[in-house]
Amino acid sequence: AAGVIQSPRHLIKEKRETATLKCYPIPRHDTVYWYQQGPGQDPQFLISFYEKMQSDKGSIPDRFSAQQFSDYHSELNMSSLELGDSALYFCASSLLGGDSYNEQFFGPGTRLTVL
Amino acid sequence: QQQVKQSPQSLIVQKGGISIINCAYENTAFDYFPWYQQFPGKGPALLIAIRPDVSEKKEGRFTISFNKSAKQFSLHIMDSQPGDSATYFCAARGLRRADKLIFGTGTRLQVFP
Repeated sequence: AAGVIQSPRHLIKEKRETATLKCYPIPRHDTVYWYQQGPGQDPQFLISFYEKMQSDKGSIPDRFSAQQFSDYHSELNMSSLELGDSALYFCASSLLGGDSYNEQFFGPGTRLTVL
Repeated sequence: QQQVKQSPQSLIVQKGGISIINCAYENTAFDYFPWYQQFPGKGPALLIAIRPDVSEKKEGRFTISFNKSAKQFSLHIMDSQPGDSATYFCAARGLRRADKLIFGTGTRLQVFP
């Protein structure tokens, strides 16, 4: 079965640089969530989109922005990177319009390292 | 403030034994409680989930027990195997199906042969 695709898998940036993370949800899924996971920590919700509209917003810095495109893929844009932004970034997708519990399925993540 | 509290932080179990991980929550608006398994450097994988209208759900070797009045739920892994060694996260989600997941702090499980 097709899974959530994230790219790139690894990214190394310098402080104050910009990064763009991409997420391709499971086919037919209409909702995308972004989570940030620091070393040894639990995933923390950043932002979500349903049908290309922002659905919810968590503790996402103002330096970060995201959007969902017409093909349902999503991009997380991170500017003025700081050392503390180094983390695993996960995208999850779900089918809000289905009969299920709207389970969230996670991608493999992007490991961002800020030097 | 951790909305979902998880214990223990780490767990060591002999092969064939039962692994038990506990979670507690305060927000009665939570309506969906999944468990995720995560291997190092990988994304969380959905294991099993439960709604508050049932007290137990079993899928293979994995069982969720849910106590609505105590606002607690637990994961039982029967016949634990070395391949089960991973970090397990409980989570909770609100009434809205599009709501975010709020995770517990995780339990690192090690199963020794």
